Amino acid sequence: EAGVVQSPRYKIIEKKQPVAFWCNPISGHNTLYWYRQNLGQGPELLIRYENEEAVDDSQLPKDRFSAERLKGVDSTLKIQPAELGDSAVYLCASSSTGLGEKLFFGSGTQLSVL
Amino acid sequence: AQSVTQLGSHVSVSEGALVLLRCNYSSSVPPYLFWYVQYPNQGLQLLLKYTSAATLVKGINGFEAEFKKSETSFHLTKPSAHMSDAAEYFCAVSEGDYKLSFGAGTTVTVRA
Repeated sequence: EAGVVQSPRYKIIEKKQPVAFWCNPISGHNTLYWYRQNLGQGPELLIRYENEEAVDDSQLPKDRFSAERLKGVDSTLKIQPAELGDSAVYLCASSSTGLGEKLFFGSGTQLSVL
Repeated sequence: AQSVTQLGSHVSVSEGALVLLRCNYSSSVPPYLFWYVQYPNQGLQLLLKYTSAATLVKGINGFEAEFKKSETSFHLTKPSAHMSDAAEYFCAVSEGDYKLSFGAGTTVTVRA
């Protein structure tokens, strides 16, 4: 089966510019996550969706970050405007519903803000 | 809130030698524990998980981990390292609320 697909793979932008990341989860996975991974650190959760509903966005910096998951399938994560500190790898993951279910991760989008 | 501490950001082992990666967790409730591996330019992949069944958990690629409640540890081991084991390894904990908290990761280098 196809895995979690993310695009673009790399993105370089200047500060104050907008940027968007796209994620297509594994077919049938109701739960979708966006994580941010800073250099030398583990991933940190930004937002979790159950179908089209954002059930945990407590870690999402809402002044500049937004996300959507229309129709409960694909998702986009947007940053506007980007800051230097946003440089990181943005990971999308999906899972079946259920506690303790393993997450399937995409390859991530590496963002560099200059 | 749960958290994970991985001891040692870098581990170097000889091919054929024991691999031991240390992970300690804190959790206010019985935790779910995971080890994920990240190969260069790839997403994280699950190696194994502990969900309150057997305390010794066997995973893929010959890895296993033992849950020790008294020590709040979940160390990852592999008896004999292979060159293909070179990667970054992350320990993670969940309190059953879907929120995974990851450690900072341990990079494994395998020497020929």
